[in-house]
Amino acid sequence: QPVLTQSSSASASLGSSVTLTCSLSSGHSNYIIAWHQQQPGKAPRYLMKHEGSGAYNRGSGVPDRFSVSRSGADRYLTISNVQSEDEADYYCETWDKFWVFGGGTRLTVL
Amino acid sequence: QVTLKESGPVLVKPTETLTLTCTVAGFSLNNAGMGVTWIRQPPGKALEWLAHIFSNDDKSYTQRLRDRLNISKDTSRSQVLLAMTNMDPVDTGTYYCARVSYSLGSYNVDSWGQGTLVSVSS
Repeated sequence: QPVLTQSSSASASLGSSVTLTCSLSSGHSNYIIAWHQQQPGKAPRYLMKHEGSGAYNRGSGVPDRFSVSRSGADRYLTISNVQSEDEADYYCETWDKFWVFGGGTRLTVL
Repeated sequence: QVTLKESGPVLVKPTETLTLTCTVAGFSLNNAGMGVTWIRQPPGKALEWLAHIFSNDDKSYTQRLRDRLNISKDTSRSQVLLAMTNMDPVDTGTYYCARVSYSLGSYNVDSWGQGTLVSVSS
């Protein structure tokens, strides 16, 4: 069963860029993941699916400021030109007969 | 437009059975490659996957709660039901249903309901 590891917190200044990391456990480095955003007090929102070479099936209304990349077992979500509404918890999710979520990264916009 | 909406009791007593309903629109529960999954979130904590039902009626449950969960669907009503027995205060949290779709060899969540907050207390 894969394990997804995320840093608990990150911060970014308004207008800057920030990269969030989701690390897949050993033996699961090629798994496909999805990213979800949860703004304070709201339900999660699907952002995009992340396959090896880039974003796939971007969610409705998700701006191009959100992009993904990969290095080995690490999956990255980069937010460019950070806005105040980007302050949220970000979760990665994968599947291997069961669904698994990372612990989430809380992004604070300064 | 795909929508999912959870409904059910706001408050349940310890040892009772919780039954939640997810009503979907914008897709059919019979669509191959799609299914509905339940996820919960205790206050201030991370998301936890609970159960899933596929279009062919196959079911999958999280190992640690397997003996307490039952998922089913009523395709004619576009509804997915989740029953969780022997509720405990630690089961308090927001329960979400979500659509899962298959692509690139993987099933992933691609649409969420608004969630329903369930409290367990006597």
